[in-house]
Amino acid sequence: DVKVTQSSRYLVKRTGEKVFLECVQDMDHENMFWYRQDPGLGLRLIYFSYDVKMKEKGDIPEGYSVSREKKERFSLILESASTNQTSMYLCASSVWGGYTFGSGTRLTVV
Amino acid sequence: TQLLEQSPQFLSIQEGENLTVYCNSSSVFSSLQWYRQEPGEGPVLLVTVVTGGEVKKLKRLTFQFGDARKDSSLHITAAQPGDTGLYLCAGGSGNQFYFGTGTSLTVIP
Repeated sequence: DVKVTQSSRYLVKRTGEKVFLECVQDMDHENMFWYRQDPGLGLRLIYFSYDVKMKEKGDIPEGYSVSREKKERFSLILESASTNQTSMYLCASSVWGGYTFGSGTRLTVV
Repeated sequence: TQLLEQSPQFLSIQEGENLTVYCNSSSVFSSLQWYRQEPGEGPVLLVTVVTGGEVKKLKRLTFQFGDARKDSSLHITAAQPGDTGLYLCAGGSGNQFYFGTGTSLTVIP
């Protein structure tokens, strides 16, 4: 069964901490994405990558960075966590025709 | 900017009833997808439609893509409690899709 695995289901971090969210896919997909999901706002694209070492900004990249050193792994980095980054973070991978999502990481910044 | 509007935002119905949810946009999409998301989980792809006017059926779920490829609907026949969840539409082209805010469906036994 194909999978996108996010390393943590729940995280609590302090304001100002550097936070790493890891995502691994086993489907050999070229494309990987990071979204955040907030009530009333839907899924908003943070960053995406179409190839190793390639990254593109999505709609809300401020305060985030990403790393794609290997095809199967796409990491989201919160450089200095803030309370407005409390959210559900979803990683996805795709070939043409549809996304496969991970189970999400619910991040709380206190 | 929200490119996709979904309605209704919330829907609560009795088991056995039929329902339709809508996804509308002013933009033309090359394809449109529907996902279902259960609490605490990531969205799961239900269907992709690519041709204007296309209708796809998945058991009790019927998906339609508008002729102009700007809108879509999802119809559920004889809803069951297992259909409860957040239904998301996503429109786009190539590899990048934009998501609607979703319809939260509750089916009461």
